[in-house]
Amino acid sequence: EDQVTQSPEALRLQEGESSSLNCSYTVSGLRGLFWYRQDPGKGPEFLFTLYSAGEEKEKERLKATLTKKESFLHITAPKPEDSATYLCAVQADKASGGSYIPTFGRGTSLIVHP
Amino acid sequence: GAVVSQHPSWVICKSGTSVKIECRSLDFQATTMFWYRQFPKQSLMLMATSNEGSKATYEQGVEKDKFLINHASLTLSTLTVTSAHPEDSSFYICSAHSGLAGAYEQYFGPGTRLTVT
Repeated sequence: EDQVTQSPEALRLQEGESSSLNCSYTVSGLRGLFWYRQDPGKGPEFLFTLYSAGEEKEKERLKATLTKKESFLHITAPKPEDSATYLCAVQADKASGGSYIPTFGRGTSLIVHP
Repeated sequence: GAVVSQHPSWVICKSGTSVKIECRSLDFQATTMFWYRQFPKQSLMLMATSNEGSKATYEQGVEKDKFLINHASLTLSTLTVTSAHPEDSSFYICSAHSGLAGAYEQYFGPGTRLTVT
């Protein structure tokens, strides 16, 4: 069974204080790992897809990296507007017997204080 | 690109009535749509997966006769909550992906807040 564990559950940062969020996963052959941002009362917003170990993607202050067991979402010099819940999801490779339905982690709630 | 809309954004209904929520992919064709439920401060709970033109696949514990899903076209899926009760009050979110070129990232709608009185 595919599993996704995100840590920490909650993170408080001061504006400008860089940090990383972790997403550990277990999957029978990875098709893709996804990061989303969710603001309160809204649907998640797609951020990145990572397909293979060693891959990195960047968007503004966010950089996502991937290894064979985990992914990190690095936030550089965060601003208060980066406050949100960040969700990680993995999708298994059907050829390896996995389901095409992504499995989500519980998310990391990030608060950035001014 | 990749915009998904939901309507209504919020709805209040009386116990025993039915409510229909629409989910549309505005600028792409969605081969698969997902329906989620989310309780306050909790993660997404997958309710069902629907593919265009076929019956939805419901997750264990989700009553298919209560939560009717129709995926009539490649751009529209609907969720009908039948005979709603206060415990059905929740935040319902749909998502869609095209599945083209192996891209399975989901694009989510803005969600529908359902309150049953």
